Amino acid sequence: EVQLVESGGALVQVGGSLRLSCAASGFTLSSYNMNWVRQAPGKGLESVSHISNVGNTIYYADSVKGRFTVSRDIAKNSLYLQMNSLRAEDTAVYYCASRGYRDYGLVSFDIWGQGTMVIVSS
Amino acid sequence: QFVLTQSPSASASLGASVKLTCTLTSGHTGYAIAWHQQQPEKGPRFLMKVSADGSHLKGDGIPDRFSGSSSGAERYLTISRLQSEDEGDYYCQTWDTGRGVFGGGTKVTVL
Repeated sequence: EVQLVESGGALVQVGGSLRLSCAASGFTLSSYNMNWVRQAPGKGLESVSHISNVGNTIYYADSVKGRFTVSRDIAKNSLYLQMNSLRAEDTAVYYCASRGYRDYGLVSFDIWGQGTMVIVSS
Repeated sequence: QFVLTQSPSASASLGASVKLTCTLTSGHTGYAIAWHQQQPEKGPRFLMKVSADGSHLKGDGIPDRFSGSSSGAERYLTISRLQSEDEGDYYCQTWDTGRGVFGGGTKVTVL
């Protein structure tokens, strides 16, 4: 079964750090474009970060640029999001999602994880 | 700025049909979009990709009750024979110059 499972969410203080993980099963994560998407409580979906399949193209939303870092561990078939200098407005459920697994046109986020909750408290 | 516009809410009776609309910004009317379903307290689920010519690519296990179409700058998701489990939020999404773009979502209520 093709699956993405996030972990690492927690309650953290403003200014703190956290590393989220996304483990893939049933497919090779490094063969696909991977994304982090977040959803603040009661709000819509926001694209946070992207890393291309070959790892040479990385994108960050302006709201997290300079604070978040996306990376992969090919051996562990996993994606990570290192979050530093956390702010209250970073409070959200964080999802990882593939792009291009089913949609060869590379438009759709076509496999989603179940999400992990990050709460940033003062 | 590339924006996807969705109506905030839609409703229809059990067993009826509902048609959701995602409108692309002028100048981006040739883009394909994806539709995602988010049931209450769950993560998003990829439903289908809808191209400018109206063709669509469904995700695994998506029932035939869900269909997609296009007209100009608008992309549609039609849910036929509405069931209670179809309640939730529906988001359109596309990809543009290195970033994912999401619509604001439409909350579907089954009456």
